[in-house]
Formats: sequence, structure tokens, C-alpha cells
Amino acid sequence: SQTIHQWPATLVQPVGSPLSLECTVEGTSNPNLYWYRQAAGRGLQLLFYSVGIGQISSEVPQNLSASRPQDRQFILSSKKLLLSDSGFYLCAWNVVPYEQYFGPGTRLTVT
Amino acid sequence: AQSVTQLDSQVPVFEEAPVELRCNYSSSVSVYLFWYVQYPNQGLQLLLKYLSGSTLVKGINGFEAEFNKSQTSFHLRKPSVHISDTAEYFCAVRANFGNEKLTFGTGTRLTIIP
Repeated sequence: SQTIHQWPATLVQPVGSPLSLECTVEGTSNPNLYWYRQAAGRGLQLLFYSVGIGQISSEVPQNLSASRPQDRQFILSSKKLLLSDSGFYLCAWNVVPYEQYFGPGTRLTVT
Repeated sequence: AQSVTQLDSQVPVFEEAPVELRCNYSSSVSVYLFWYVQYPNQGLQLLLKYLSGSTLVKGINGFEAEFNKSQTSFHLRKPSVHISDTAEYFCAVRANFGNEKLTFGTGTRLTIIP
């Protein structure tokens, strides 16, 4: 069966520090991969999506970037974190062209 | 482009009472519709989906939703709620062709009162 992993589960980082969040999917090939951010009291904002290795589409210009170095690996990065980067980061995937499946999330607090 | 409106940000309901969570969408093309549930500090889990066919869709945990094209709505219902239904519920929509990006509503926090 397919599973999706995210790490770390929680992270506290100072303003101006770098960021790397990782997402991996098991049990499927060539998935579409997504990064969402959920700020406190708000809905989900799509940040990036990828339909294949090295193919990244950005939905919202911001302080973050994404990379897909392997078929089932999706990485979210930042060179210098801002306070506004705090939130709950969710990775999702799909192969069947309907619903998306979500990972457990990473809680990021920028101090 | 599509948009989703969840009018109720919070809904308190007594245990064993019925509940309806409202979702309205806007789209110039035909759509697929979804409801997701998020328990505290967890990812989202698919409750149910409407792709085509019967407008009444049944999902997990006793939830159901009805697609109403004329009113552009996809309200979520459950006849009798339990404490374990306390969570945040998100409605989502995507066009029924092309890329597969979902547009989410802002969510409804369902609180079950014992």
C-alpha cells in the first residue's frame, strides 16, 4: 500500500535560518506531489506542485523553494526564514487523477 | 478558476444531534468535489468525493454529502454525531479536466458538546 512520510514532525527555527523539509512517498511511481501551508486559523494554501523529477510549479511567490531530486522525494526549502513562514506544512500526492493523499505534516515555528 | 466558500468557521453541536456543514463553490466549468477531515495536528483524510453520477455521496464515518448543481453547493451531513467527530472539515473543488490542483475552503471547525 502507499504511504507518505514527512519529517521532521515539528521544528522551531530562528528568523534568518535555513529550512529543509522532506517528503517521501512509498508504494507508487511517478506521483504528482504537492506542498501546502496551513497558517493558524486559515485554510490550505498550495505552495508548489510537481508532475515529475525536476519539474516544479510555484503557485505563490514567496520566501520558499521546492525541489524534486528523485521520483518519490519532494523537498521544501528556504535560505532565510521569516516569521510569516510559521505554519503547518503538508505534503500530498496523487496518481489516480482525483483525490489527493496527505502526509502527517510538519509544524514549523519561526521565532 | 474555482473558489470555495465555507460560510461557517465554527459549528458546535450536541452529541447524537444531526449536523450540516455548508460548502458553496464557484466555477465556470464542471467540477469534482471533495470533503476532507483534519484531526488536531494531523494531515487531511478524505471523507468523500463527488465525481459524477448520483448526487448523494456516502463516505466514511457515517458522513454523506449532496451535490446540488443549480445551487452550486456540496453540503456535508451526518444524522448523529459523536465526540470523535470533533475536527476541522475542508471542502475542496477542482475542474474535471486538465491539471489536478485542488482549491480548498477555509475550513469549518466542528465541536461536539457532550
